[in-house]
Amino acid sequence: EDQVTQSPEALRLQEGESSSLNCSYTVSGLRGLFWYRQDPGKGPEFLFTLYSAGEEKEKERLKATLTKKESFLHITAPKPEDSATYLCAVQGRSNDYKLSFGAGTTVTVRA
Amino acid sequence: EAQVTQNPRYLITVTGKKLTVTCSQNMNHEYMSWYRQDPGLGLRQIYYSMNVEVTDKGDVPEGYKVSRKEKRNFPLILESPSPNQTSLYFCASSTHRDRGREQYFGPGTRLTVT
Repeated sequence: EDQVTQSPEALRLQEGESSSLNCSYTVSGLRGLFWYRQDPGKGPEFLFTLYSAGEEKEKERLKATLTKKESFLHITAPKPEDSATYLCAVQGRSNDYKLSFGAGTTVTVRA
Repeated sequence: EAQVTQNPRYLITVTGKKLTVTCSQNMNHEYMSWYRQDPGLGLRQIYYSMNVEVTDKGDVPEGYKVSRKEKRNFPLILESPSPNQTSLYFCASSTHRDRGREQYFGPGTRLTVT
């Protein structure tokens, strides 16, 4: 069974204070690892897909990286609008149509 | 505007009273899915559909039914709701090529079963 563990559960940052979120996973043959952002009261919004170890993706102040066992979401010089819950999900080769999500990391950025 | 819509957004019901949560997408997506989100447990997949008339169970299908008679609609049916089905429900869709990876999510339906 595919499993995803995210840490920390919550992260409070000062504006401009860079940090990283961790996503550890176990999966039988990784097809892809995905990051989503979820704002309070809304559905998740897709951010990135990573397919193989060593791959990196960037979007504004966010950068996602992937190793064989974990992924990191780096937030550089965050702003209050980066406050959200960040979800990590994996898809394994056992089922092309199934995503397994972690519980998420809630990031709060104070001005 | 490309979107996934869900109705109702909020629902309070009693144990055993059948209910349906509707989901509709206007992006001509083949793939659709239902999730429930509970504190500390994350998003868990209930059912998914690869195309019209093709559905399969996710991780937590017990107590739920789905149907996919039209490409744009994917309703979630609770035949006899119980309090442990109190949760936040999300519908999502994506193209067949993505096979459910880069999904567009609806705004969510908060269900309370008393």
